[in-house]
Amino acid sequence: EIVLTQSPGTLSLSPGERATLSCRASQSVSSSYLAWYQQKPGQAPRLLIYGASSRATGIPDRFSGSGSGTDFTLTISRLEPEDFAVYYCQQYGSSPQWTFGQGTKVEIK
Amino acid sequence: QVQLQESGPGLVKPSGTLSLTCAVSGGSISSSNWWSWVRQPPGKGLEWIGEIYHSGSTNYNPSLKSRVTISVDKSKNQFSLKLSSVTAADTAVYYCARDGGITGTTYAFDIWGQGTMVTVSS
Repeated sequence: EIVLTQSPGTLSLSPGERATLSCRASQSVSSSYLAWYQQKPGQAPRLLIYGASSRATGIPDRFSGSGSGTDFTLTISRLEPEDFAVYYCQQYGSSPQWTFGQGTKVEIK
Repeated sequence: QVQLQESGPGLVKPSGTLSLTCAVSGGSISSSNWWSWVRQPPGKGLEWIGEIYHSGSTNYNPSLKSRVTISVDKSKNQFSLKLSSVTAADTAVYYCARDGGITGTTYAFDIWGQGTMVTVSS
């Protein structure tokens, strides 16, 4: 089983600042199989990035994904008030087919 | 556009069976997609439970496999989850989700239901 470890657990930033979120895999993951989600309180997760770097439909270009192998990053170039939320990375593998990281909370400083 | 809607009892007794259904609207469950169940205990992260293809092929999380059954009903355009021998640890918001995107080749969950809270308690 591939384990995804996200860091930091909590990121305290101000609107307009840059956010850099890390997702590290216990084994190499194909870039095609790495996704990022945003979740706000009381809502379902929303797909932001798939294939490590492709933005999902309707996602603003301030969100970008990068990385390969075991290290992946989600960057929010300039935080908007609506971006304060919890972010999860996810990978597709084998047994279990899907695993999630434990999440990074981006909170207002 | 495709929408998903979970339904089922919000309260299940310990040792009982949790049963949920996810209705697919705006599209066909027989498309080139797998359909998943994901859960989230209160205040915790996301856990994938399992998935099904319209052919009936399934994959389950090994941590839950002995207690999980996912089935599909193409005539009703829906799929279902059964989780047996539940305990308080199974209390969570349960989501259904589509994986594969429009073409079925995107490795991500692009559409989610709103989620339904299930509490295991006597």
